[in-house]
Amino acid sequence: AQSVTQLDSQVPVFEEAPVELRCNYSSSVSVYLFWYVQYPNQGLQLLLKYLSGSTLVKGINGFEAEFNKSQTSFHLRKPSVHISDTAEYFCAVSARWGSRLTFGEGTQLTVNP
Amino acid sequence: DSGVTQTPKHLITATGQRVTLRCSPRSGDLSVYWYQQSLDQGLQFLIQYYNGEERAKGNILERFSAQQFPDLHSELNLSSLELGDSALYFCASSPALGPAKHTQYFGPGTRLTVL
Repeated sequence: AQSVTQLDSQVPVFEEAPVELRCNYSSSVSVYLFWYVQYPNQGLQLLLKYLSGSTLVKGINGFEAEFNKSQTSFHLRKPSVHISDTAEYFCAVSARWGSRLTFGEGTQLTVNP
Repeated sequence: DSGVTQTPKHLITATGQRVTLRCSPRSGDLSVYWYQQSLDQGLQFLIQYYNGEERAKGNILERFSAQQFPDLHSELNLSSLELGDSALYFCASSPALGPAKHTQYFGPGTRLTVL
């Protein structure tokens, strides 16, 4: 079984500041890792994913994440945030292709002017 | 727009009732997943279907059931509804092949309110 811990439930930042949303996972098998974003009253949109290969993964909207196997982490970063990045962000893992996603509790990112 | 559609968008019903939520996956996707999002439980996997067959089961209550039809659309049936079933229900789909096969694409969700 897999589990995901998002270390911050809320992250307030000012516009144009850098941000890091932290995610740790636990699994007895190799996993695929994902970050999804949920804007208010909308579904989940994939930001980026790590399947294999380079541990630095670039996604949409200027986000990137780094897979660290020894730390079992997959932190999400953006060097300069915008007001429009205000949303809830979910880290998720799956054990293999076609497998269920196990989600973290979510991190509410609020970007203030 | 992910290409996954869900109907209805909102559903308000009373305790004890039965409802059906419908999901149409992206064109060509064979896998359909159902998830429940609630304030106390977060996002939880309910059940997966692949090409009409049940593939995996999560924390799905016995009062809940699902199926996937030959045209690949799926329905989630919730019966004997309780107040605690109020939640956002998401459907997701993924392809069997290709570079996107590890990605689940989510629909906009159905918000169920049980009064």
